[in-house]
Parts: sequence; structure tokens; C-alpha cells
Amino acid sequence: RKEVEQDPGPFNVPEGATVAFNCTYSNSASQSFFWYRQDCRKEPKLLMSVYSSGNEDGRFTAQLNRASQYISLLIRDSKLSDSATYLCVVTSNTGGFKTIFGAGTRLFVKA
Amino acid sequence: ETGVTQSPTHLIKTRGQQVTLRCSSQSGHNTVSWYQQALGQGPQFIFQYYREEENGRGNFPPRFSGLQFPNYSSELNVNALELDDSALYLCASSSGTSGSDTQYFGPGTRLTVL
Repeated sequence: RKEVEQDPGPFNVPEGATVAFNCTYSNSASQSFFWYRQDCRKEPKLLMSVYSSGNEDGRFTAQLNRASQYISLLIRDSKLSDSATYLCVVTSNTGGFKTIFGAGTRLFVKA
Repeated sequence: ETGVTQSPTHLIKTRGQQVTLRCSSQSGHNTVSWYQQALGQGPQFIFQYYREEENGRGNFPPRFSGLQFPNYSSELNVNALELDDSALYLCASSSGTSGSDTQYFGPGTRLTVL
């Protein structure tokens, strides 16, 4: 079992749609959680951190459920510019620092 | 622009050779992490350096080694290159090792092993 698993995708949605990405992690001692965005042939960039209380940044909402070891990202009113790969990221510090990226979910937003 | 730079941008090597990749961290950042990203996959954590010491390591063999210098720049060295080492190598700098610190990525070095 992978340490961080994401929806395999790709997701193809029309502009204006709402799309949800899911991610699960296996290490219950994981400390911090993030969503990164990666455009084609570019480096990953932080989209948002994820907290148990949930957090929202404009059209983006992230949620963490520690009991279920589950992270989600919701994008409302999708734009063409949202087309990218979305990476779920988990860090831990048991036995040394470690950052685990999921394989990513590709999103295509079409006009 | 994150302020994290990497060199070279592209590199071609043959099996068995050795390679050194370089990373300059963002100003004010004392922590550098290295990642390997194969095509179609997420980045895989190689190791992290904090104040010139290795602070954590992923599941990579010892032929992957690193250094961090007093100015916090870093090198990734890979010995005895294998075909499967062909990938994009990313470094990321951050202001600490707490795990909650945002990592800022450089543009990467694309390594091809023939």
C-alpha cells in the first residue's frame, strides 16, 4: 500500500464545474498536510496547507480528517487556468523528517 | 519566482557515471530537501539537509548522497548511475524543519541516463 494515495484521474470537467480530489495517507503519526499544484513541465507550488478545522482560499477548500486519515480539496467554479496536476503532500518526523507526495491527480478544465 | 535555483537544467550521462547537481536556496532559508520525480509520478523524497547535517532520508540507496554548505546551498551526488535514475531532480528550500514550513521548489534538473 502506498503511503499517500490519490484519485488516479484524469478529471475532465467543463468551466464552472465543482471538482473534488481525495487523498488518503497511511502513517497515523503524520504531522502536516498540503496540496501542491504542478503545471506541465514546471515545479510544484504550494496551493494551500490543510488543517483539521478546514480552510478556504477563494474557490479552494481543503479539509483534513485525522481519524479517517483522509484529505480533500474542493475547487468551485473551475477556470481554464485550474488545469494542472494536484499533489497531496504529507510530512512526518518519526525517525527523521520525511515528505511524501501522492502521485497526483491531473485536472483538465475545458471551455 | 521562488528564488531557488538549480544547475544544470539538463544533463545527459551514461550508466556507471557519477553526477553532481546543485541547488541554491531562497534567501533566509536554512533547509534544503531533494526529490526525484519520474515521468507521470509525484516527487519522491530523497533527503533533507538542515544546517549542513542530513535531517531525514527517504528510501534511496547510499549511492545517493548530499552535502549542504555554510551558505545553505546544497549538492546531490549520484554514483554508479542506472537507467532508472533518469528523472527530474527537484530541490526545495524552507525556513525550518518543522514539517509545517512551506517548501519552495526550484525549476529542477532533468537527468537522462543512457
